[in-house]
Amino acid sequence: DQQVKQNSPSLSVQEGRISILNCDYTNSMFDYFLWYKKYPAEGPTFLISISSIKDKNEDGRFTVFLNKSAKHLSLHIVPSQPGDSAVYFCAASASETSGSRLTFGEGTQLTVNP
Amino acid sequence: DAEITQSPRHKITETGRQVTLACHQTWNHNNMFWYRQDLGHGLRLIHYSYGVQDTNKGEVSDGYSVSRSNTEDLPLTLESAASSQTSVYFCASSPGGGDTQYFGPGTRLTVL
Repeated sequence: DQQVKQNSPSLSVQEGRISILNCDYTNSMFDYFLWYKKYPAEGPTFLISISSIKDKNEDGRFTVFLNKSAKHLSLHIVPSQPGDSAVYFCAASASETSGSRLTFGEGTQLTVNP
Repeated sequence: DAEITQSPRHKITETGRQVTLACHQTWNHNNMFWYRQDLGHGLRLIHYSYGVQDTNKGEVSDGYSVSRSNTEDLPLTLESAASSQTSVYFCASSPGGGDTQYFGPGTRLTVL
């Protein structure tokens, strides 16, 4: 059973516009959420995270929103740049039950067109 | 600079052979993880370790084993490689109690 789902395998946006990547989860024990970015032939790199006690976390062009009641989080990139083209993975952990283990979504391929 | 490395970066092997993938980190992190990445599945946890002599099974552990004899290394062994184990393998580490994991560059394994 897929506890973290990214329903859009791909997303294409124009440079300068907003990119919105979505992620849904089913496990109500998840209390920490992360986004990773992955370029081809490289390992995933940490991008931004949010604790379940918050509903928003911002870091430069990247903002993550968490809606606990809907079990939904989203990553906003504003403005989008061609260098943002990569696969984005959503991940979640349940500190009380799974310690430091992360559960990942399937990933969304973002393409930012010049 | 502290880092996490994987070797080899590419490996082709035959069905039935034993294969070991290396993972080495210099951050002195207690936690280490092995994942495989497959299209449509994202990253799935194979095995993990919270310290020396500690190993645990993840969601897709069948056919794989790990050992943790020191803090820096967590080698992943495929006891008898199968074509279904063709994948890209990532090692990751995190400090004890922290959730942010730092990934190695990956090993692309092909089992013929």
